[in-house]
Amino acid sequence: DAGITQSPRHKVTETGTPVTLRCHQTENHRYMYWYRQDPGHGLRLIHYSYGVKDTDKGEVSDGYSVSRSKTEDFLLTLESATSSQTSVYFCAISLSGERTDTQYFGPGTRLTVL
Amino acid sequence: GDSVTQMEGPVTLSEEAFLTINCTYTATGYPSLFWYVQYPGEGLQLLLKATKADDKGSNKGFEATYRKETTSFHLEKGSVQVSDSAVYFCALTGANNLFFGTGTRLTVIP
Repeated sequence: DAGITQSPRHKVTETGTPVTLRCHQTENHRYMYWYRQDPGHGLRLIHYSYGVKDTDKGEVSDGYSVSRSKTEDFLLTLESATSSQTSVYFCAISLSGERTDTQYFGPGTRLTVL
Repeated sequence: GDSVTQMEGPVTLSEEAFLTINCTYTATGYPSLFWYVQYPGEGLQLLLKATKADDKGSNKGFEATYRKETTSFHLEKGSVQVSDSAVYFCALTGANNLFFGTGTRLTVIP
């Protein structure tokens, strides 16, 4: 258990509505990541953070924004949800961000956009 | 760019059979390589890792060796159990994140 919680765990919403997913960690890790998991694609990076207020884009960042105002919380926002954003979203943490470092994953949030 | 190609599934084996899941990669620099496992309804758990060429990662009877000459990191287990049924992901570290394969679903039948 890497001390990561995600909320909500399941959410159904409608196209065009804003959605915010929360990732909370108790390990005080500097690096946090948001991934989405889709069939045939594995996991793909959306955004990541390397410290409070320090974030950067990943491979599939269009339509998503993030914020990190505290070390322990990393929020992912869909400003106007679309059906293509139906997915399972995973948060991950790592201590140093170095290439040898392990990323630890949360339990995931299943989001359905109707 | 960096990428991982993983053996397509699904794979169905009988209990106590030998398992191999192939993984090859393309990368610049010297990535670390990982195998993660995802049980139904759960997040990804680290199964094993290797951080340099010729390293062997091992855990719970699973093994994988970092082969730079063949750019491979194949997962093996000598005798699978029903409890090993899960989806297995090969991954490598890029500059700022992990690059994942598409996953291989393993089902072990008694």
